[in-house]
Amino acid sequence: KAGVTQTPRYLIKTRGQQVTLSCSPISGHRSVSWYQQTPGQGLQFLFEYFSETQRNKGNFPGRFSGRQFSNSRSEMNVSTLELGDSALYLCASSLDARDGELFFGEGSRLTVL
Amino acid sequence: AQKITQTQPGMFVQEKEAVTLDCTYDTSDPSYGLFWYKQPSSGEMIFLIYQGSYDQQNATEGRYSLNFQKARKSANLVISASQLGDSAMYFCAMRGQGTGKLIFGQGTTLQVKP
Repeated sequence: KAGVTQTPRYLIKTRGQQVTLSCSPISGHRSVSWYQQTPGQGLQFLFEYFSETQRNKGNFPGRFSGRQFSNSRSEMNVSTLELGDSALYLCASSLDARDGELFFGEGSRLTVL
Repeated sequence: AQKITQTQPGMFVQEKEAVTLDCTYDTSDPSYGLFWYKQPSSGEMIFLIYQGSYDQQNATEGRYSLNFQKARKSANLVISASQLGDSAMYFCAMRGQGTGKLIFGQGTTLQVKP
């Protein structure tokens, strides 16, 4: 059974650019959540999607957005990148994020120069 | 407000010995979930174990067990028979009632010595 797949694994952008990260959840899972991990702030919740609907959003500026498709795959987008957006972005897959276990992917490591 | 506290920034353990990683939490929700994840240097967050607040028995998964003490609001991870591959960062996390959001602790770095 395939795990959670995140692409790309590594990317480098410059300030002002935008980036799109992709997450394919475990087959059959309908919920995808996104987290940002930085050395200073630790792991912080970005958003949670279930059956194409955003159910919860963390305390991040509007430059951070996401969506979920009918096949449960999810994308997150960060526009007008800032140096502080450099982080590991982790996606979590679950049958329903509000109950049971959550499984993470390997993450997308973003560096903003 | 919900909070997870991991008071041990770093821990050492001898190979083949058991080790306990501490985690305390704070929540007013009557129902919640507790998680432990392992993060090696590669960055992947590996699921280890899950405990629901209404589960009567402590969760176990192979060499991992969760020592759940509800009255003390603690959810310590016990790793038995440590292996060199257990060296990693370990995170405790909590999910409140009716939400899919995880609150993470700051993590504990575990180093297993040969």
